[in-house]
Amino acid sequence: EPEVTQTPSHQVTQMGQEVILRCVPISNHLYFYWYRQILGQKVEFLVSFYNNEISEKSEIFDDQFSVERPDGSNFTLKIRSTKLEDSAMYFCASRQAGVSTGELFFGEGSRLTVL
Amino acid sequence: AQSVTQLGSHVSVSEGALVLLRCNYSSSVPPYLFWYVQYPNQGLQLLLKYTTGATLVKGINGFEAEFKKSETSFHLTKPSAHMSDAAEYFCAVATDAGGTSYGKLTFGQGTILTVHP
Repeated sequence: EPEVTQTPSHQVTQMGQEVILRCVPISNHLYFYWYRQILGQKVEFLVSFYNNEISEKSEIFDDQFSVERPDGSNFTLKIRSTKLEDSAMYFCASRQAGVSTGELFFGEGSRLTVL
Repeated sequence: AQSVTQLGSHVSVSEGALVLLRCNYSSSVPPYLFWYVQYPNQGLQLLLKYTTGATLVKGINGFEAEFKKSETSFHLTKPSAHMSDAAEYFCAVATDAGGTSYGKLTFGQGTILTVHP
């Protein structure tokens, strides 16, 4: 069964360092998303991406965040200068085009710990 | 803006007992409603969804949920709990019916279901 894969599963970094989280969405999907879940809190929408551009972003997604689809398969989330409060589980998701009731397929998440 | 409230962060049931996980939503427009399940060390998996039409929706693993507009609720039920149902369950709402905004889900805080023998 097709699945969304994320790497790394866990990353520990020092505050101020750049982090790139990688995702390989399902191959025929055209809409891509990042969500995050801070420990003990709700899963929160960060950003949606379609046709090589951001289609929507939340207030959380400030200038230190960026997303990119550098090739035909990967979808990345970059945090330029990590802060302690960026520690969270980051989920990538994707969905098919053209079906408004299509479900989101989520990856297993990348846990980011900022020290 | 929409919001989701899941009543009870932890629910514990006996194997074979009814499972009831509560979800209430707030939305100014007709919502799309979802239940996702997360097993340990796994991603979020869709259990079921309500978009339009029949208000009682059936999902995987014997779960079902009923959309009640008058109560702004979308409670998840399963007649008989199984040990394998132990997981965290998330209710979510989307209010944009299509296009690029569709995948913007607002989640509840999650309910951890424990099933004991």
